[in-house]
Amino acid sequence: DSGVTQTPKHLITATGQRVTLRCSPRSGDLSVYWYQQSLDQGLQFLIQYYNGEERAKGNILERFSAQQFPDLHSELNLSSLELGDSALYFCASSVGGPNRGRNTEAFFGQGTRLTVV
Amino acid sequence: EDQVTQSPEALRLQEGESSSLNCSYTVSGLRGLFWYRQDPGKGPEFLFTLYSAGEEKEKERLKATLTKKESFLHITAPKPEDSATYLCAVQVMDNDMRFGAGTRLTVKP
Repeated sequence: DSGVTQTPKHLITATGQRVTLRCSPRSGDLSVYWYQQSLDQGLQFLIQYYNGEERAKGNILERFSAQQFPDLHSELNLSSLELGDSALYFCASSVGGPNRGRNTEAFFGQGTRLTVV
Repeated sequence: EDQVTQSPEALRLQEGESSSLNCSYTVSGLRGLFWYRQDPGKGPEFLFTLYSAGEEKEKERLKATLTKKESFLHITAPKPEDSATYLCAVQVMDNDMRFGAGTRLTVKP
C-alpha cells in the first residue's frame, strides 16, 4: 500500500458527461501529480500541484481541470467526455517542492479506471 | 525538449537469464531519475531514485545505475514474478516527472 488513495476505483459514464476523480496524498506529501494512461500507452503527465498551487502543466486538455485543496487532497475534473478519454487515471504524491532536498520520489495510487460509453 | 527513451520496448527472458534495460534521457537540470515497476492495471510501484552520475542502487535481483546520459536497470537471475513493465522517469528541477514508454519484461519459467 503506497498510502495514496484514489476514488472511485471504477467509473462508467456516457459521452458528454462530467466526472470528478479524487486523490488523497500520503500523509506529509505536499505535491500531487495526475497522469493519464490509455490502453497500452505510457503515462502521460497532466498536471502537478504543490501545496495548493499549480506547479507544472503537461498535455492536459482544456476540458480537464484540477485543483488541490487546503487539506492537500486533489480532484481532477473531466468534462464533455469523449470515448477517447477512457483510460486509467493515476494520482501520485511526493514530499518534493521548491528548494527541497532529496527524497522527491513519487508514490502512486491504484488509479481510477474511467470508461466512457 | 526533454526526452526519455526506454529500450527495448519488450524483452523476453528465460528464468535465470540476466539482462539490462536502458533509459536514455536528454534533459537539462536533472533533479532525479526514477525507476518504477508496473503490473497490469495497477499503479506504478517505486523502485529506485538516482541523483548523480556514478550512483548505483540495489534491491534483491535489481540494480540501477546512472551516467550523464542514461540509466540501466540490471536484472540478475530473474524469476517469473519479475515479469512486469519497468518505467523510467526523470524529474527536472521542481517540476513534473516525465516517464518513458516502458519496457515490458516477460520471464518464462
